[in-house]
Amino acid sequence: QVQLEQSGAEVKKPGASVKVSCKASGYSFTSYDLNWVRQAPGQGLEWMGWMNPYSGNTGYAEQFQGRVTFTSDNAITTAYMELNNLRSDDTAMYYCAVRGWYMVRGVNYYFDNWGQGTLVTVSA
Amino acid sequence: DIQLTQSPSSLSASVGDRVTITCRASQTINTYLNWYQQKAGKPPKLLIYAASNLQSGVPSRFSGSGSGTDFTLTISSLQPEDFGTYHCRQSYSLPYSFGQGTKLDIK
Repeated sequence: QVQLEQSGAEVKKPGASVKVSCKASGYSFTSYDLNWVRQAPGQGLEWMGWMNPYSGNTGYAEQFQGRVTFTSDNAITTAYMELNNLRSDDTAMYYCAVRGWYMVRGVNYYFDNWGQGTLVTVSA
Repeated sequence: DIQLTQSPSSLSASVGDRVTITCRASQTINTYLNWYQQKAGKPPKLLIYAASNLQSGVPSRFSGSGSGTDFTLTISSLQPEDFGTYHCRQSYSLPYSFGQGTKLDIK
């Protein structure tokens, strides 16, 4: 089954960088875009952007442009999200997520799976 | 950019009640709308995709409807395990976006 396993919680100081990993299994890693979403404490979900592991193409939400980078190591089916110049309002749970269609014996199925989340705390 | 507005922001209902949550898009999104349920400390779980399709394994008391700009998530008979926060998400155009969430409490 589709699984996304994220790296552990991080505590960073303002101005530092953080790199979160997302290890994928149970599906063809390079066949589906991977999205990153974050959720500040007590707040709603915020879409950060997407990455296609096959092509390396990425798209970032405007509020993160210039500060975030999505990469992947296809050999180990792992995606990464790096956020630079951290601020206190970057304190949040960060999720990777994948969705798409697959076919089994002629029947199409939709999947939409999320990692367990990585808590990033930014504090002086 | 497309904004999604959910209503209500919170509600409290009793077991057995019929519950309706709405999601309105700032421009047409066809049926590119998903509904999620999220419980504290957990990632969102997909309930409905493409506005009205029940995800495999999700109880049939959940249903979705709508197209264009107005969408509805309905729980036909509320169960105790249905508490949590419900989110809508559009994937019609980039940047994708979520509604602000609806927190559902069980009376």
